[in-house]
Amino acid sequence: EDQVTQSPEALRLQEGESSSLNCSYTVSGLRGLFWYRQDPGKGPEFLFTLYSAGEEKEKERLKATLTKKESFLHITAPKPEDSATYLCAVRTNYGQNFVFGPGTRLSVLP
Amino acid sequence: DTEVTQTPKHLVMGMTNKKSLKCEQHMGHRAMYWYKQKAKKPPELMFVYSYEKLSINESVPSRFSPECPNSSLLNLHLHALQPEDSALYLCASSQSGTPDQPQHFGDGTRLSIL
Repeated sequence: EDQVTQSPEALRLQEGESSSLNCSYTVSGLRGLFWYRQDPGKGPEFLFTLYSAGEEKEKERLKATLTKKESFLHITAPKPEDSATYLCAVRTNYGQNFVFGPGTRLSVLP
Repeated sequence: DTEVTQTPKHLVMGMTNKKSLKCEQHMGHRAMYWYKQKAKKPPELMFVYSYEKLSINESVPSRFSPECPNSSLLNLHLHALQPEDSALYLCASSQSGTPDQPQHFGDGTRLSIL
């Protein structure tokens, strides 16, 4: 069965304190790993797609990386506006649906 | 602002009411999705439409009835809902149904069942 886990469940950072979020997956035939950001009361906002091990994508203070078993979302010098829930999801060769991880709730304190 | 528009933003209904949720996208996407999201949980897939045909129904109760009138519109018809159906209902679209493309989400309809 395809499975996605995320750690930590919640993370509190001081402004400027860099850290990483983890997404571990056990799937058959990975076609893509997706990172989303979700603010309270809003829909998930697409951030990155990663397709193969070794791939990296960057956007402002965020950098996503992918290995054969996990993905990391690195946040460099975060600001309070980076506070949100970060979701990862995978899609496989065998299904049309995303398998979402449970998310990491990030709080960045000024 | 997202490119997937959902209306209404909030809906309160009784258990005997009939209502509909609407979703619209103008990105030319050919796959559209309905998700249900409870508080502090990830979205759960309900239905997938690919090229206006229902391709996935994740064992959703018949009190939820999807409809795809055309490639830009997706509706979710609600009837005789239960209090446990209160949740955020999200619509998403992707360029096609192939697994390597991201889904783009609307901001959802917050549904409360009295």
